[in-house]
Amino acid sequence: EAGVAQSPRYKIIEKRQSVAFWCNPISGHATLYWYQQILGQGPKLLIQFQNNGVVDDSQLPKDRFSAERLKGVDSTLKIQPAKLEDSAVYLCASSPDSNEQFFGPGTRLTVL
Amino acid sequence: AQSVTQLGSHVSVSEGALVLLRCNYSSSVPPYLFWYVQYPNQGLQLLLKYTSAATLVKGINGFEAEFKKSETSFHLTKPSAHMSDAAEYFCAVSEYGGATNKLIFGTGTLLAVQP
Repeated sequence: EAGVAQSPRYKIIEKRQSVAFWCNPISGHATLYWYQQILGQGPKLLIQFQNNGVVDDSQLPKDRFSAERLKGVDSTLKIQPAKLEDSAVYLCASSPDSNEQFFGPGTRLTVL
Repeated sequence: AQSVTQLGSHVSVSEGALVLLRCNYSSSVPPYLFWYVQYPNQGLQLLLKYTSAATLVKGINGFEAEFKKSETSFHLTKPSAHMSDAAEYFCAVSEYGGATNKLIFGTGTLLAVQP
């Protein structure tokens, strides 16, 4: 079974630029999550989708971050414009509504 | 609100020694608790989970954890460390209970294994 795929793996941008990350969850997984992991901290949930509907986006900085999950499969997370403090690893996870979330390898973002 | 505290951001053990990584939780509902491992430049991999069944949970790679409600703890142990265990370990609690709700992670413990 293929795992959660994410791209790109690494991205370096300058502040005020825009960036987008892509996630392809495990086939058939209804729930998809985006977590932000800042260096030295544990991951923090940004947004959770159930199929193509948003379940929880309470910690998403909506003035600059947006996410969508069209057709309930792939998802994209966008930052516009980026700030220095957005430097982090962005992790995508998916769940089949069982007792586990499966994580992708993450996208490491560096904002200069 | 749910929260997790991991005591010790860095733990160093000798190869073959006992591994003990500490995790204490706070939860207003019966908790679902998890331990994840993260190797450099990789995502998180589930080691084990507690979902209100047996209090002693066995996971992959020889790890186990014991849920102690009276101590609000879920410490991770392994009898004999291997060099390949060197990684960062995260304890997490599921908000609102259940496993598909968002996970609240601790700050992680970096395990070093000395030869």
